[in-house]
Amino acid sequence: DAGVIQSPRHEVTEMGQEVTLRCKPISGHNSLFWYRQTMMRGLELLIYFNNNVPIDDSGMPEDRFSAKMPNASFSTLKIQPSEPRDSAVYFCASSRSDYGYTFGSGTRLTVV
Amino acid sequence: GENVEQHPSTLSVQEGDSAVIKCTYSDSASNYFPWYKQELGKRPQLIIDIRSNVGEKKDQRIAVTLNKTAKHFSLHITETQPEDSAVYFCAAPWGAGSYQLTFGKGTKLSVIP
Repeated sequence: DAGVIQSPRHEVTEMGQEVTLRCKPISGHNSLFWYRQTMMRGLELLIYFNNNVPIDDSGMPEDRFSAKMPNASFSTLKIQPSEPRDSAVYFCASSRSDYGYTFGSGTRLTVV
Repeated sequence: GENVEQHPSTLSVQEGDSAVIKCTYSDSASNYFPWYKQELGKRPQLIIDIRSNVGEKKDQRIAVTLNKTAKHFSLHITETQPEDSAVYFCAAPWGAGSYQLTFGKGTKLSVIP
């Protein structure tokens, strides 16, 4: 099993540009989570999908953030327009119904 | 949602000594408590977890204890080694039956050779 696969690993973009982060969960996992990690705020849950359906997006900072999961093997997190304060490491994680999360390697986003 | 407090934020121990990290949670219905280890520049990885029907679980040098009455759980690492140096996170779900985990702020453990 290749684990949870995220792309890109690093992204540097200019303020105002659109950024799309991608995630492929582990096959058979029915829950997918997007987290953001910063020194100040730690690991924050942005959005949670179960069986491809968004269950809780209360952690999404504002309307500039959106996430989709068109099928069981793919999810995207989009930021439009991006701002410097969005700079962080974004992790995708997946799990089966028994709670154990597996995290992807993360995308380090820098907005300049 | 769940509120998870983790202490201490940093911890330094001599190689071979024990390390203890503590977490408290707010939702008495929470029933699953995992611990993650994150090495510098890498992803968090699950190292041990405990469910509410047991009070302690051990895996070689690491153990987790749970006190449901007091709503706290702890990670114990014995005979620490330099490779144990990392940031450790505790987590708890948003109540029983929830798959969403709320994470503590993390503890940076440094093991001094």
